[in-house]
Amino acid sequence: GAGVSQSPRYKVAKRGQDVALRCDPISGHVSLFWYQQALGQGPEFLTYFQNEAQLDKSGLPSDRFFAERPEGSVSTLKIQRTQQEDSAVYLCASSLGAGAGALGDYNEQFFGPGTRLTVL
Amino acid sequence: DQQVKQNSPSLSVQEGRISILNCDYTNSMFDYFLWYKKYPAEGPTFLISISSIKDKNEDGRFTVFLNKSAKHLSLHIVPSQPGDSAVYFCAASYMDSNYQLIWGAGTKLIIKP
Repeated sequence: GAGVSQSPRYKVAKRGQDVALRCDPISGHVSLFWYQQALGQGPEFLTYFQNEAQLDKSGLPSDRFFAERPEGSVSTLKIQRTQQEDSAVYLCASSLGAGAGALGDYNEQFFGPGTRLTVL
Repeated sequence: DQQVKQNSPSLSVQEGRISILNCDYTNSMFDYFLWYKKYPAEGPTFLISISSIKDKNEDGRFTVFLNKSAKHLSLHIVPSQPGDSAVYFCAASYMDSNYQLIWGAGTKLIIKP
């Protein structure tokens, strides 16, 4: 497929359970982003990768959240010991570059459909 | 502390009329603004953007206006079509961290036939 894909689309977890969310970015896209979107809110930045390097993880809400992109393509967001406040849609996005492009134009972020996580 | 605010949770507009979606921001360091559109069960898709050195950017039926002194931007859709019914998000970024988007809460636009 040509777009960003995420799996699973829906995940129900019991409180305390570990979960892993997968993102397949668009082939060739250098940058990968994870966002958390609570109900009725806009997405909030979690972390950013350039190839396999995690350049910014300032948005991760706690040390229970961990993201990796070991080969610079597929990424996994892992949440350990899930809590009810972790319930949200987790969005992944990829882009050719990051921020402004070579000509100063914006490197569009392409989003996947998200994974809706519900923690009971 | 919301740096990007969309104060209208929803907006209803007659088909064929103009839709105006508004967005306010508080951080004067923002230098790039974007609008994204989102359909249910899909991820947001990029619609149009504007750099802080401009005050207007137009793309077909979509025009974004930026008023830096008021820290306000708006998206105009004319004429509005049924397929425009979606949630619209305003987002901003700044050069120090030009990959990190700061998002508003979104406005649900409903186009009435």
